Amino acid sequence: QKEVEQNSGPLSVPEGAIASLNCTYSDRGSQSFFWYRQYSGKSPELIMFIYSNGDKEDGRFTAQLNKASQYVSLLIRDSQPSDSATYLCAVKIQGAQKLVFGQGTRLTINP
Amino acid sequence: DTGVSQNPRHKITKRGQNVTFRCDPISEHNRLYWYRQTLGQGPEFLTYFQNEAQLEKSRLLSDRFSAERPKGSFSTLEIQRTEQGDSAMYLCASSSLRLAGGLDEQFFGPGTRLTVL
Repeated sequence: QKEVEQNSGPLSVPEGAIASLNCTYSDRGSQSFFWYRQYSGKSPELIMFIYSNGDKEDGRFTAQLNKASQYVSLLIRDSQPSDSATYLCAVKIQGAQKLVFGQGTRLTINP
Repeated sequence: DTGVSQNPRHKITKRGQNVTFRCDPISEHNRLYWYRQTLGQGPEFLTYFQNEAQLEKSRLLSDRFSAERPKGSFSTLEIQRTEQGDSAMYLCASSSLRLAGGLDEQFFGPGTRLTVL
């Protein structure tokens, strides 16, 4: 079982709709969770982080964390074509500094 | 303020040659990380420095790979006797527990794309 799993997609969403991206992790000692956006040929860009159960909102983005289910998600409201990218889920486990990444979900927003 | 910078941005080399990459972190950041990313995969951790001390190394970091951060500022990653399987994007990130959101968020540089022929 991979430490961090994401559906590789592609996930296709119409413009203006809500895009929902999901991530599961295996280590119950995981403490903090990060979402990065990566455009083709570019490096990852941090967009959200969360460490407490529940929701965290930042503009059009909402991160959701459920530690009991070992599940973290990212919602993008009012999706725009510029949101088309690969979204990487990353997890930091207790006592470690490294991030463990999922393989990423490719999101396409259709005008 | 500039972000993390990496040089060169692209490197093409022949199998068996040595290559060296440089990373300059965000100026106040005392932690520096190297990751490797291949097509269709997420970044994989290679190594981590706190100031000049190399505190963690991945098993991915074979004896052909060496990283240094001699004065706790910039870092270099050297690959000796390159193999075609080393072709990847090499990403550097930096962080500081004292700054940003307090979660030691890692910010990535633009990467160095290595192609081994």
